[in-house]
Amino acid sequence: AQSVTQLGSHVSVSEGALVLLRCNYSSSVPPYLFWYVQYPNQGLQLLLKYTSAATLVKGINGFEAEFKKSETSFHLTKPSAHMSDAAEYFCAVSDQDNQGGKLIFGQGTELSVKP
Amino acid sequence: GAVVSQHPSRVICKSGTSVKIECRSLDFQATTMFWYRQFPKQSLMLMATSNEGSKATYEQGVEKDKFLINHASLTLSTLTVTSAHPEDSSFYICSALWTGGVSEAFFGQGTRLTVV
Repeated sequence: AQSVTQLGSHVSVSEGALVLLRCNYSSSVPPYLFWYVQYPNQGLQLLLKYTSAATLVKGINGFEAEFKKSETSFHLTKPSAHMSDAAEYFCAVSDQDNQGGKLIFGQGTELSVKP
Repeated sequence: GAVVSQHPSRVICKSGTSVKIECRSLDFQATTMFWYRQFPKQSLMLMATSNEGSKATYEQGVEKDKFLINHASLTLSTLTVTSAHPEDSSFYICSALWTGGVSEAFFGQGTRLTVV
């Protein structure tokens, strides 16, 4: 079975500050890991994904995440927050068989950016 | 990138009626689509996997007779909420699996269902 835990349902940062959103996973098979962003009343947009290639994954809008097997983590970072980054962020896990289709989501982290 | 369109974006219906939500992959064919449900301020819960030309696979606890899924073509899956009740009010989101290279799921915009 697979699961995802996002630490912190709400994170607040100042504009220009580092963004760190935490995600830990549990999986009995090699995982595929994803970060999605959701704006109010909208669907999800893929930020980045890990599919067993490079452990440091760069995504869109300046976000990146590092897969750490020893820590079962896949934390999302961005060096400098922008007001437009305020949204809900979801970490998700899948596996090779599901190839990123059938996703198990974490609880979500709401990111607020203060001016 | 691939586009998935979901319709309607909002719907209000009366208790006891049925509502159909469409999920279309506009520029690619998707043999597999997924339906999720999201309660306010909560995560997405997978309801079912929709397979073109065959029966959907429902997750544990999801009533297949209440949430009817039809995937009749490679670009369209529908979710029908039958005999809707207020507790069915939620945000429903679909995704379509693109397998053109490295597989990726593309999400629709979601449908806000309110049952009154």
